[in-house]
Amino acid sequence: AQSVTQLDSQVPVFEEAPVELRCNYSSSVSVYLFWYVQYPNQGLQLLLKYLSGSTLVKGINGFEAEFNKSQTSFHLRKPSVHISDTAEYFCAVSEQGGADGLTFGKGTHLIIQP
Amino acid sequence: DAGITQSPRHKVTETGTPVTLRCHQTENHRYMYWYRQDPGHGLRLIHYSYGVKDTDKGEVSDGYSVSRSKTEDFLLTLESATSSQTSVYFCAISGLGEQYFGPGTRLTVT
Repeated sequence: AQSVTQLDSQVPVFEEAPVELRCNYSSSVSVYLFWYVQYPNQGLQLLLKYLSGSTLVKGINGFEAEFNKSQTSFHLRKPSVHISDTAEYFCAVSEQGGADGLTFGKGTHLIIQP
Repeated sequence: DAGITQSPRHKVTETGTPVTLRCHQTENHRYMYWYRQDPGHGLRLIHYSYGVKDTDKGEVSDGYSVSRSKTEDFLLTLESATSSQTSVYFCAISGLGEQYFGPGTRLTVT
């Protein structure tokens, strides 16, 4: 079984400032890692994913994340945020090659202040 | 966008009544999932299916049942709805190592 911890429930950031949303996971097997974004009253959209290969993955909207196996982390970063980035962000993990669903963190609400 | 629809999109029902939510996909994916989203909990897996008539329980399956008689449809049934099942329900399909989510169903049990 896996678990995901998103260390911050809410992160306020000024517009055009950099941001990092933290995610740590626990698993006894190799995993795939994901970040999803949810805008108000909408479904979930995939931002980026790590399946294998390079530990630095780039996603949509200028976001990137780095997989650190030794620290079991997958932190999400953006060098300069915009008002439109205001949303809920979810980190998720699944077993490599498995198909029994994703385990999600509780989410981080990113609040962009003008 | 992946071809996933959910119906109904919104529903209000009374405690003790049965409720069925439908997920329909046009992608012919083998794996389908039902999650619920609650504030402070993220998304939690209810049930999933790995083929027609093949289903299994997730983390929060108590009070829910599922059925999959066709590849494209995955039904979630609350046999006797309770107020604790008030939530937003998301269906997902799996492909290429990631999951694609439907638009969600907001269910309120009064």
